[in-house]
Amino acid sequence: KQEVTQIPAALSVPEGENLVLNCSFTDSAIYNLQWFRQDPGKGLTSLLLIQSSQREQTSGRLNASLDKSSGRSTLYIAASQPGDSATYLCAVKETSGSRLTFGEGTQLTVNP
Amino acid sequence: DAGVTQSPTHLIKTRGQQVTLRCSPKSGHDTVSWYQQALGQGPQFIFQYYEEEERQRGNFPDRFSGHQFPNYSSELNVNALLLGDSALYLCASSPGAHYGYTFGSGTRLTVV
Repeated sequence: KQEVTQIPAALSVPEGENLVLNCSFTDSAIYNLQWFRQDPGKGLTSLLLIQSSQREQTSGRLNASLDKSSGRSTLYIAASQPGDSATYLCAVKETSGSRLTFGEGTQLTVNP
Repeated sequence: DAGVTQSPTHLIKTRGQQVTLRCSPKSGHDTVSWYQQALGQGPQFIFQYYEEEERQRGNFPDRFSGHQFPNYSSELNVNALLLGDSALYLCASSPGAHYGYTFGSGTRLTVV
């Protein structure tokens, strides 16, 4: 059974800091990995999608990497802003099915 | 271009009642999945529909059922509601099983 873990569970940083969020998964037989952002009480906004054959994806100040063999992904946020405050979730899709398995998220607070 | 649309946004039901939640996928998407997200946790996969058939199901009891219509929209039905069914219900769509998912804003269900 696939298990996804996100560390840390919560993170508070001052504005302008670069930061890294971590995601690990137990079964490396994945098709892709997706990072999402969730604001309180809202739905999920897709940030980056990395296919299993890719090593990283970039969008603006965000960069996500994937090391499938070690079961790890990182989300790097450059020059953090208060508007980045949200919960960040990673999810993997296994090759054996079509469901997404989510971690419990990292709650990020960026202080002005 | 409208994304994934869910209705209603909020709902309050009494234990033992039945509820129907609705989802319209993003234009061009034919695959619809449903997730349940309890407070402070990551979303849990309920089931996925493709070509009006349930393609995969998560670990949820038979009280949870669904349907997909020819226009790809979908319904989630929950019978005999329990207090533990209180959660945010998220609908996600994709243009195929192995593409990234787009999520709606969710329906907040409260069972009293």
